[in-house]
Amino acid sequence: EIVMTQSPATLSVSPGERVTLSCRAGQNISSNLAWYQQKPGQAPRLLIYAASTRATGIPARFTGSGSGTEFALTISSLQSEDFAVYSCQQYMKWPYGLFGGGTKVEIK
Amino acid sequence: QVQLVQSGGDVVQPGGSLRLSCAVSGFTISHYAMHWVRQAPGKALDWVAVVSSDGKTKYYADSVRGRFTISRDISENTLYLQVTGLIVEDTAVYYCARGHGTLRTYYDYWGQGTLVTVSS
Repeated sequence: EIVMTQSPATLSVSPGERVTLSCRAGQNISSNLAWYQQKPGQAPRLLIYAASTRATGIPARFTGSGSGTEFALTISSLQSEDFAVYSCQQYMKWPYGLFGGGTKVEIK
Repeated sequence: QVQLVQSGGDVVQPGGSLRLSCAVSGFTISHYAMHWVRQAPGKALDWVAVVSSDGKTKYYADSVRGRFTISRDISENTLYLQVTGLIVEDTAVYYCARGHGTLRTYYDYWGQGTLVTVSS
């Protein structure tokens, strides 16, 4: 079974900063990776699919990159509404809905 | 617009059963694979089950196979998850989600979640 590893577990940042979150797959998953944002008490929200394609309505400050086993989500200038947990999901290999453990982006 | 409205979560004793519902508007569930994903308190998202768009294929996570059953009512445009033989480790918020394409895909719309608590 593929293992999805996200780092760091927690990131403390100030508004306006640029942040990069990492997601590593234990096997080659090509570009079959999605990123989600989740705020407390809310359902996940799709941000990025196919590793680098922004979902409908997602601001341009969110950028996904990578392929194979190494992926990143970059937020160019963190806004107050961006403080949340970010999770990656691979959909290349069974079990398809396999998520990483998440990275919490908190206010510094 | 697309809406997935969930219900059915509750507090149940170990060994108990529940039926979770996900009423969909804004699209027809027979055109999409529909999934259940859960999240235990403070834990990562965890895929549970999927039913294909034609309803003929159903897959389950190893941890729930034989205890959970995914189904749908096309006439009501509603997805269900029958959960039986509940154990403490099943305690989680359960989300229904639309698969964007085939079974091997990401999830573009989610329900609001419903909490299942298994406790004696």
